[in-house]
Amino acid sequence: GQNIDQPTEMTATEGAIVQINCTYQTSGFNGLFWYQQHAGEAPTFLSYNVLDGLEEKGRFSSFLSRSKGYSYLLLKELQMKDSASYLCAALDSNYQLIWGAGTKLIIKP
Amino acid sequence: GAVVSQHPSWVICKSGTSVKIECRSLDFQATTMFWYRQFPKQSLMLMATSNEGSKATYEQGVEKDKFLINHASLTLSTLTVTSAHPEDSSFYICSASAGSENSPLHFGNGTRLTVT
Repeated sequence: GQNIDQPTEMTATEGAIVQINCTYQTSGFNGLFWYQQHAGEAPTFLSYNVLDGLEEKGRFSSFLSRSKGYSYLLLKELQMKDSASYLCAALDSNYQLIWGAGTKLIIKP
Repeated sequence: GAVVSQHPSWVICKSGTSVKIECRSLDFQATTMFWYRQFPKQSLMLMATSNEGSKATYEQGVEKDKFLINHASLTLSTLTVTSAHPEDSSFYICSASAGSENSPLHFGNGTRLTVT
């Protein structure tokens, strides 16, 4: 079956770095997305990886290893506003998005 | 960037009534839009894929007679919750892709539905 695994919750300190991991098992693979979702709001797009390696966008970076079925989202210089849920989603061979349950990130001062 | 507008943001209705939610792509044409439902502290659940000019494709377990989807144009899809019950209370979110199949989805702001 198809499955996305990511931690349920993580806690980090303001100004620090945090890495949110995601492993996936899908029927075929056409890329992996990361979304940020604040409570009560819709998700917003953060990144898309389809090739192995690290993609950096400001404070956020996303990494993909297709052979390991693994991705992570790296957040640097954490700010209080980064407190949110981070959703990992993989695109399968039919271009259907398979969503993880999300990782709730709590930032402490 | 691509913008998806969803309306209304929140709605309260009585049991037995119907509610229509609109989803518009403001600056691009979306041949396909997606409707999700999200319960508190849970991930997105795909309800249906809305295709312009044709019938929507519903996910298993989603009642198509209850959740009517219409995609009348390349920029508008609507979800109507018919004969609403309290258990239909949820956060409904639409999304659309601005380009090819692996383009990121852009989400509307969601509609918080409360059925009393």
